[in-house]
Amino acid sequence: DQQVKQNSPSLSVQEGRISILNCDYTNSMFDYFLWYKKYPAEGPTFLISISSIKDKNEDGRFTVFLNKSAKHLSLHIVPSQPGDSAVYFCAASSTNNAGNMLTFGGGTRLMVKP
Amino acid sequence: DTGVSQDPRHKITKRGQNVTFRCDPISEHNRLYWYRQTLGQGPEFLTYFQNEAQLEKSRLLSDRFSAERPKGSFSTLEIQRTEQGDSAMYLCASSLRNTEAFFGQGTRLTVV
Repeated sequence: DQQVKQNSPSLSVQEGRISILNCDYTNSMFDYFLWYKKYPAEGPTFLISISSIKDKNEDGRFTVFLNKSAKHLSLHIVPSQPGDSAVYFCAASSTNNAGNMLTFGGGTRLMVKP
Repeated sequence: DTGVSQDPRHKITKRGQNVTFRCDPISEHNRLYWYRQTLGQGPEFLTYFQNEAQLEKSRLLSDRFSAERPKGSFSTLEIQRTEQGDSAMYLCASSLRNTEAFFGQGTRLTVV
């Protein structure tokens, strides 16, 4: 039972345009959501997070939107740069579960073309 | 370097052998996590420690898997009697209470 799903395994975007990565979850107990970026042969790198009390969080070129009623979140990257090419993982946790264990989606590979 | 450090980066072992991986978390972080990632999947939670106490281990994949954090600093993950299905990237992460987790570069295990 996949509680966090990223339905697009890959996304290709032109440099300078917007990249939109999507994530859906099923567990209504999740109240904290994160995006991680992963380059080959490296561990995931934290990018941005959002608490369920907010519907938007912005950090530079990265914005995460949360729609709790739809159990959907998205990551917007504007403008996209070739260095953004990586695999992006959405993750979720519940502050009610011990330790903030993260449940990850399967990832979306973003390719930004120059 | 003050990030999460994992050793070794790569390990090739024969089926049936035991392997042990080490993780050194960010020094002030009291929580330490182990995850496993297989090809094409997201990381999968295995276990976590708060200081030296292992507070969640029900997600360890079998009784061949065990983890320790004896002094609340570094941690080890041991896999006994390795099987080919254990081949994966093993990731360690650390965090302060209720903050984002920071990951190490992982140990890639290949069982032949």
